[in-house]
Amino acid sequence: GENVEQHPSTLSVQEGDSAVIKCTYSDSASNYFPWYKQELGKRPQLIIDIRSNVGEKKDQRIAVTLNKTAKHFSLHITETQPEDSAVYFCAARGGGYQKVTFGTGTKLQVIP
Amino acid sequence: NAGVTQTPKFQVLKTGQSMTLQCAQDMNHEYMSWYRQDPGMGLRLIHYSVGAGITDQGEVPNGYNVSRSTTEDFPLRLLSAAPSQTSVYFCASSNRDGGYYEQYFGPGTRLTVT
Repeated sequence: GENVEQHPSTLSVQEGDSAVIKCTYSDSASNYFPWYKQELGKRPQLIIDIRSNVGEKKDQRIAVTLNKTAKHFSLHITETQPEDSAVYFCAARGGGYQKVTFGTGTKLQVIP
Repeated sequence: NAGVTQTPKFQVLKTGQSMTLQCAQDMNHEYMSWYRQDPGMGLRLIHYSVGAGITDQGEVPNGYNVSRSTTEDFPLRLLSAAPSQTSVYFCASSNRDGGYYEQYFGPGTRLTVT
């Protein structure tokens, strides 16, 4: 089955700096890569996603890149703010509609 | 729209007890899933459904049963609770969008088994 690895597990940045989270996946048939943000005690919420026919997608301060050849994708957050502090999960969908496999999460701390 | 709702929010069970976690969605989504979230392990798929009357196993199905009699509801049953089932449980629903499936999560149920 699909295996998704996510790094780093924790990340501290100064407010205003950029943050980068990286994920790799194993199933070359995966075609959908969502990113979720989860605040403490809350549900995961989709913040951005990328489909396999696109190499990069941007939404304001958030961008995601996908390298299908290398089987890795990354989340970039620019001009970080304290409210960006949360746990971020990457995921990959492969092997059928609902076989979404999640990474183990990155706890991002933005220091004011 | 209420989106995806889950009850209860918190539950404490004794080993061997059974219970049902409820999940409902009002978005007319075809697809629904149950995940468990444990520290350092992300979310793991327990069971999922692609429509009323159709369910299948995910990554960690042992000890859990599901059924889908209506589009709206997807309950998760714990048959005989064990301490290893202490976790936060999330239900999610999604619909097809050109072959892609954005998932919407419920608020979660925090379950403790003593």
